[in-house]
Amino acid sequence: NAGVTQTPKFQVLKTGQSMTLQCAQDMNHNSMYWYRQDPGMGLRLIYYSASEGTTDKGEVPNGYNVSRLNKREFSLRLESAAPSQTSVYFCASTIAGGASNEQFFGPGTRLTVL
Amino acid sequence: RKEVEQDPGPFNVPEGATVAFNCTYSNSASQSFFWYRQDCRKEPKLLMSVYSSGNEDGRFTAQLNRASQYISLLIRDSKLSDSATYLCVVNLSNRDDMRFGAGTRLTVKP
Repeated sequence: NAGVTQTPKFQVLKTGQSMTLQCAQDMNHNSMYWYRQDPGMGLRLIYYSASEGTTDKGEVPNGYNVSRLNKREFSLRLESAAPSQTSVYFCASTIAGGASNEQFFGPGTRLTVL
Repeated sequence: RKEVEQDPGPFNVPEGATVAFNCTYSNSASQSFFWYRQDCRKEPKLLMSVYSSGNEDGRFTAQLNRASQYISLLIRDSKLSDSATYLCVVNLSNRDDMRFGAGTRLTVKP
């Protein structure tokens, strides 16, 4: 099993450009998440999906959209990138949502917006 | 006030030392608590969950104090391989809403 995979690993954008970050998991997990990690800030939840067809806002959703394409895939879209969105983006999944389940993370996407 | 706060460190300790990290959380309704480990430029991985009665996994011991709203992680007999950043994670409710601390960086030196 590959676990959680993310593409691309690195990306440089210019202000105003758009892009989609891809995430897939092969563990048959129900819940999936997108986080961003900035120095000194810890991971912050952008959006999550408790099941196929549902998405909910997290702590910092502004400037992002998501799509839960199927049970395996959860994509994050930046419609008009801004320098403030320079960050490391992690996708995660867990077998079922709720309080007590371990989250498994992908390797991250390092995004720079110039 | 941040919802989850940790001492950022860095903690620099010699091999074999005992080191303890604390983490405080602001929401008294928080349901679940975890310690994750993150190596440099890698993804976080679960180290251990934290239970109300406290729990131990080898050299690692986690404690929860609900009254004072803090959790702790104790590492005994530190190894070079323990060098990493340790993230305190709190689930605010039964929803999928996890809050991460900024992490405490540990360096174990020979």
